Amino acid sequence: EDQVTQSPEALRLQEGESSSLNCSYTVSGLRGLFWYRQDPGKGPEFLFTLYSAGEEKEKERLKATLTKKESFLHITAPKPEDSATYLCAVQATSWSGGYQKVTFGTGTKLQVIP
Amino acid sequence: KAGVTQTPRYLIKTRGQQVTLSCSPISGHRSVSWYQQTPGQGLQFLFEYFSETQRNKGNFPGRFSGRQFSNSRSEMNVSTLELGDSALYLCASSLREGNEQFFGPGTRLTVL
Repeated sequence: EDQVTQSPEALRLQEGESSSLNCSYTVSGLRGLFWYRQDPGKGPEFLFTLYSAGEEKEKERLKATLTKKESFLHITAPKPEDSATYLCAVQATSWSGGYQKVTFGTGTKLQVIP
Repeated sequence: KAGVTQTPRYLIKTRGQQVTLSCSPISGHRSVSWYQQTPGQGLQFLFEYFSETQRNKGNFPGRFSGRQFSNSRSEMNVSTLELGDSALYLCASSLREGNEQFFGPGTRLTVL
């Protein structure tokens, strides 16, 4: 069974204090890894897609990287508006049907203190 | 470009009732997925539709069902509601299977 584990569950940073969020996965036939940001009471907002080990994507203060077993979301000099829950999801080919299924991690709740 | 819309946004039902939730995907998107989100379980996959066909189904009881129409709009239905069905139900659309998903704001269902 596909598994996605995110750590830490919660992270509190001072404004400007850089850090990384981790997403480790156990899947067969990885087709893609996605990062989303979710604000309270809203649906997740797409951030990045990574397809192969070694790939990196950047957007403002965020950079996502991918290895064969995990992905990192690096946050450089965060601001209070970066406070949100960050979700990781992996897409893999299903064992039984050949179709692609998506499994989400439970997220990292980030709080950035001014 | 309009985003994913979901109706209603909030719903209160009692145990034993049934409910239908609606989702309109981004124009041109043919894949629609449904998720249940609760504080304890996170995002749990319900099912995915592509071109009116259910392509994938999560581990939920048969009380949860869905369908997709020719215009890609989708509905999900929950029959015989239980207290544990209280959750945020999210719909997501994508251009094709395997692409990044764009989520709607969700429907907050409360079962009393």
